[in-house]
Amino acid sequence: DSGVTQTPKHLITATGQRVTLRCSPRSGDLSVYWYQQSLDQGLQFLIQYYNGEERAKGNILERFSAQQFPDLHSELNLSSLELGDSALYFCASSPHLDLYTDTQYFGPGTRLTVL
Amino acid sequence: DQQVKQNSPSLSVQEGRISILNCDYTNSMFDYFLWYKKYPAEGPTFLISISSIKDKNEDGRFTVFLNKSAKHLSLHIVPSQPGDSAVYFCAAILGGATNKLIFGTGTLLAVQP
Repeated sequence: DSGVTQTPKHLITATGQRVTLRCSPRSGDLSVYWYQQSLDQGLQFLIQYYNGEERAKGNILERFSAQQFPDLHSELNLSSLELGDSALYFCASSPHLDLYTDTQYFGPGTRLTVL
Repeated sequence: DQQVKQNSPSLSVQEGRISILNCDYTNSMFDYFLWYKKYPAEGPTFLISISSIKDKNEDGRFTVFLNKSAKHLSLHIVPSQPGDSAVYFCAAILGGATNKLIFGTGTLLAVQP
């Protein structure tokens, strides 16, 4: 158990809908990262928040947004869903900002299926 | 454009033998590399890392080798155990972008008893 929790575990929805994925980082970790893993793809970095502020953006679509709340949990919002958004979405947390020195801990993921 | 490549989707090894997982990268600005292991229905777990100023890092049964001139790294597991059966991802950090990991597509390792 990494200490990072993600809900829900599975989500099935229809095209055009909007969903929210939730992540609770390890106790004390200030950074939260979101990744997308599509079929046969490596993990694609989407976005990072540190202590409530956005710090880095990767290949995140404009239809996707995220935020980190004062209690440090984070939500990833996916809207106008398309079939291609079906994927595993991982959240990870680390104590600070620097992955040279910090270990990143991953949650178990949310599997999103868009029908 | 896949900057970190794991060209072998799968690898099968006998228990007790050496497992060698390979990773190639294209961007010479990567300066830190990591290996993660992932079991089904779990998130990736950090395994071992190496800075670009080194060519080898060892942790127990796991050793990572870096060949900067070839833009190639490898993970050696000796001896391999059935519990090592998992998907292994290599990842890289672009120098200066210390909070972004770029992952490869993964290699599924099966260790046969």
